[in-house]
Amino acid sequence: AQTVTQSQPEMSVQEAETVTLSCTYDTSESDYYLFWYKQPPSRQMILVIRQEAYKQQNATENRFSVNFQKAAKSFSLKISDSQLGDAAMYFCAYRTSAGGGGYGKLTFGQGTILTVHP
Amino acid sequence: DVKVTQSSRYLVKRTGEKVFLECVQDMDHENMFWYRQDPGLGLRLIYFSYDVKMKEKGDIPEGYSVSREKKERFSLILESASTNQTSMYLCASSFGGRGYTFGSGTRLTVV
Repeated sequence: AQTVTQSQPEMSVQEAETVTLSCTYDTSESDYYLFWYKQPPSRQMILVIRQEAYKQQNATENRFSVNFQKAAKSFSLKISDSQLGDAAMYFCAYRTSAGGGGYGKLTFGQGTILTVHP
Repeated sequence: DVKVTQSSRYLVKRTGEKVFLECVQDMDHENMFWYRQDPGLGLRLIYFSYDVKMKEKGDIPEGYSVSREKKERFSLILESASTNQTSMYLCASSFGGRGYTFGSGTRLTVV
């Protein structure tokens, strides 16, 4: 079974600075998907970024980028120019590409609470 | 936008009660999921369904059951609520595993 580990329960950053959230995972598969989700106090889970394992290029979405190291099974999220609205719980998640895509269940890490200081 | 609606934002139930958590999605998604969220543990999959009347156990199904009589509705049932089922419950739906939409969660307290 796949496992996802986020070793930083809490992180903090100053507004406008850069912060990196860590995520490692364990799998024997070669093809899969990785995600970062944001959960603000409203509880609504918001997709931040997605990475397909077969793509070597790191995904980027505006101020959010990932450092995907497939051999090391590491998938960190970098937030540049941090804003107060970035404060939230962040979850790393894994999804297998096997199973015909009909199930698509996600395996989540423990979460990292990000605080942004003005 | 696809919406996933959970019937209650907060719920307080007594030990031993039968509890129903309802989830409805409006975009004809084939897959629906129930997760439980606890501090330090992240989200853990309870049950999922890939079609009407079809269901599969997730990682922590004990004490729970589900029902999917219509494609848009996926219900989580606590047969006899216990205090260790006090938690946040999140419903999600997806089409082919490509895009996920989550509900806003139900915070259940069992007293």
